[in-house]
Amino acid sequence: DIVMTQSPDSLAVSLGERATINCKSSQSVLFTPNNKNYLAWYQQKPGQPPKLVIYWASTRESGVPDRFSGSGSGTDFSLTISSLQAEDVAVYYCQQYYSTPFTFGPGTKVDFK
Amino acid sequence: QVQLQESGPGLVKPSETLSLTCSVSGASVIGYYWNWIRLPPGKGLEWIGYAYSRGGAKYSPSLESRVTTSLDTSNNQVSLKLTSVTAADTAVYYCARAGKGQLSAFDIWGQGTTVIVSS
Repeated sequence: DIVMTQSPDSLAVSLGERATINCKSSQSVLFTPNNKNYLAWYQQKPGQPPKLVIYWASTRESGVPDRFSGSGSGTDFSLTISSLQAEDVAVYYCQQYYSTPFTFGPGTKVDFK
Repeated sequence: QVQLQESGPGLVKPSETLSLTCSVSGASVIGYYWNWIRLPPGKGLEWIGYAYSRGGAKYSPSLESRVTTSLDTSNNQVSLKLTSVTAADTAVYYCARAGKGQLSAFDIWGQGTTVIVSS
């Protein structure tokens, strides 16, 4: 199984400031024939299901604000919120869909400072 | 607009079988991979498995001996059965669509249904 880790476990950011979450996979999730990283980011607010934010490591899902961006390749990835807004407070999960069993990181809780 | 709605008993006794249904509206279940994921209290997301048309399915090795997923194309539903449940199976259960094939991100999620395993 591909093990996903995330750091930090939680972070507190002031409104309007940048938030960066890191995700690492135990093996590469880059498929070289198509040069795609099989890595997604989800946002989950209390009492709601996860919502897809980023796929292919850096492609924003339709309707997601452009303050969200994803980067990285191979085994190391990041999700950045360029200017934290009130509605961004949530738990964020990375997930690999390179191979089954699909696995998620443990989550990073983002809150206000 | 594609919508998913999970349903099933909220309380299951230990050693019994958990049965859940995911009703899909706005899209056919045919041609997509339909995944089940759960969120145990105080823990992270765990992928359970998926169902695909023509009887295709794949499961997490940790649950494979107890889980079955299937599609009901007549009613446009996806089902999950988990046998011999224990307290460790207490969780919010979600169904989710893989939007662009077997190896793709989960673009649509149901609201989830809470299952408690207790006598």
